[in-house]
Amino acid sequence: QLQLQESGPRLVKPSETLSLTCTVSGGSMSSTNYYWGWIRQPPGKELEWIGSVHYSGSTFYNPPLKSRVTIFIDTSKKQFSLNLTAVTAADTAVYFCARRSGPPVRALEYWGQGALVTVSS
Amino acid sequence: EIVLTQSPGTLSLSPGERATLSCRASQTVSSIYLAWYQQKPGQAPRLLIYGASSRATGIPDRFSGSGSGTDFTLTISSLEPEDFAVYYCQQYGSSPGLFTFGPGTKVDIK
Repeated sequence: QLQLQESGPRLVKPSETLSLTCTVSGGSMSSTNYYWGWIRQPPGKELEWIGSVHYSGSTFYNPPLKSRVTIFIDTSKKQFSLNLTAVTAADTAVYFCARRSGPPVRALEYWGQGALVTVSS
Repeated sequence: EIVLTQSPGTLSLSPGERATLSCRASQTVSSIYLAWYQQKPGQAPRLLIYGASSRATGIPDRFSGSGSGTDFTLTISSLEPEDFAVYYCQQYGSSPGLFTFGPGTKVDIK
């Protein structure tokens, strides 16, 4: 059974960079069918897609966040990571990593449990 | 950019009742890229429906999805106590790496 686990600092100061890593176990990362994504959810609010990465390294970002986001993948470590720069209190959220499965599912079938990251001085 | 709208925002029902949730897209969406998720407090979302109408592994048959084009529906035929949660629709844009979520519908106990 595929499992994803987020890790990284849970408290980040304003203007600094939020960095999270998702470690994948129980399955391969190297398939042309898989996209690995980051999604966040501010407390009490809706889900917001941040961006995704393909095992080839191709990336896709949500336009409002694009200027501050970098997502990269290291298949040898079975990890993909998120960097979000110049954070403010508005970036306080639970950050989820997830995998978009290949056909026929083509949806976010596997999710990490989420990591609450607080932006505060 | 396709925008998803969900209605109603909140649905107050009793166990045993039927729930009908709507997801409307600002442009035509390919059905194979339309999914529904359930989220309970403190948990990650769980995939319920993919391809607009196919149930994910382990999802009870009281959950069903339908629709095409710009209008999609999630139906829960008879609400069980564990079904009270928030439901999100989601679609893929011009690339399989581009995701969009709807704002969610909360199903709560009347």
